Amino acid sequence: GNSVTQMEGPVTLSEEAFLTINCTYTATGYPSLFWYVQYPGEGLQLLLKATKADDKGSNKGFEATYRKETTSFHLEKGSVQVSDSAVYFCALSAHYGGSQGNLIFGKGTKLSVKP
Amino acid sequence: DVKVTQSSRYLVKRTGEKVFLECVQDMDHENMFWYRQDPGLGLRLIYFSYDVKMKEKGDIPEGYSVSREKKERFSLILESASTNQTSMYLCASLEGIAGANVLTFGAGSRLTVL
Repeated sequence: GNSVTQMEGPVTLSEEAFLTINCTYTATGYPSLFWYVQYPGEGLQLLLKATKADDKGSNKGFEATYRKETTSFHLEKGSVQVSDSAVYFCALSAHYGGSQGNLIFGKGTKLSVKP
Repeated sequence: DVKVTQSSRYLVKRTGEKVFLECVQDMDHENMFWYRQDPGLGLRLIYFSYDVKMKEKGDIPEGYSVSREKKERFSLILESASTNQTSMYLCASLEGIAGANVLTFGAGSRLTVL
């Protein structure tokens, strides 16, 4: 079945450090891939997405490249800020019944950035 | 922008009580979802609905039911709350664009069952 595995946290970094959060997936067909972010006290919001192999999603300095050969979608940022402290979720599209599609989420990685 | 509103941010209920969690979206989306979020477990799908009066079970439907009487409103019902249903509940609405299914989430409802 479809699944998403992401690195366990928490991840603690100093401001301006380089960030990588690993995400690998198992899926039938050709899913779309997503990173969602959850800031403290809020719901999840879409950070970036990629819909086909070799696509690169980017937003707010974050990037992730859809690698079909390694079934990966690692999240990177060159220089993190304190305001990036949040929980990050990797997800892929799937299909249930008559729905257009549902997302399968990883367990989330908590990032804390220290000044 | 799509807005998904969950009316209750924090609730405290007693074991055995009936609990209603309400969710409203304002962009005429067909698809709506209820997830629960627990530390170390991520998000797990409880139920979803792809049209008015239609519902499908997700991965963990036991102990829950849903209602979708109007397109914009999707309610999660705990018929008899139990302590293991203490959790954060997230509602989402789905915008599907050519295979890129983008979920928009509400802010969440944190339920504590005593």
